[in-house]
Amino acid sequence: IAGITQAPTSQILAAGRRMTLRCTQDMRHNAMYWYRQDLGLGLRLIHYSNTAGTTGKGEVPDGYSVSRANTDDFPLTLASAVPSQTSVYFCASSQESSNQPQHFGDGTRLSIL
Amino acid sequence: GQNIDQPTEMTATEGAIVQINCTYQTSGFNGLFWYQQHAGEAPTFLSYNVLDGLEEKGRFSSFLSRSKGYSYLLLKELQMKDSASYLCAVLDSNYQLIWGAGTKLIIKP
Repeated sequence: IAGITQAPTSQILAAGRRMTLRCTQDMRHNAMYWYRQDLGLGLRLIHYSNTAGTTGKGEVPDGYSVSRANTDDFPLTLASAVPSQTSVYFCASSQESSNQPQHFGDGTRLSIL
Repeated sequence: GQNIDQPTEMTATEGAIVQINCTYQTSGFNGLFWYQQHAGEAPTFLSYNVLDGLEEKGRFSSFLSRSKGYSYLLLKELQMKDSASYLCAVLDSNYQLIWGAGTKLIIKP
């Protein structure tokens, strides 16, 4: 079944550790996105990529980095995790970075202690 | 700044109709999306409006008034499975989605 796969599903991490959240899509979508979702707040864009080889900063990029070496993969790295990065992280993709609907992965629940 | 407002929570009865409102103030407008998100799951696409008026899709309809910065999602013949959060999101001038915090809809028998 075509879609977006995120890994891990959940993770508990000690503060200061490095962590990479994986995201892979098989829909050949050009645009990909990373969001965090916190209780009482809307989804907030961390980083995005309009096409393979390019990335951009979203609303809350500090403490996170991404890469887009190919169309399918868009990993998100926390270089040195802090407790305020405890959140649910969603990866999404869309055909183009325009008015096409975004398709979401199942999310990664990350707790930083 | 950019702002999307939705009610935090609404309650409705199975079989009834409910309207979830969304008002927005954004830098530019390239369309408005509604997504459904069940607890612990990913958001899923419901509707997209870019022109004024009503878009109907089965039991769900979405309305847009660009001049008023206003949209609503109308759910008819409510079913228990419609219990979820409904997210309003606006595509701004940079084609980035600005998300509301979502409306948690509780359906009672």
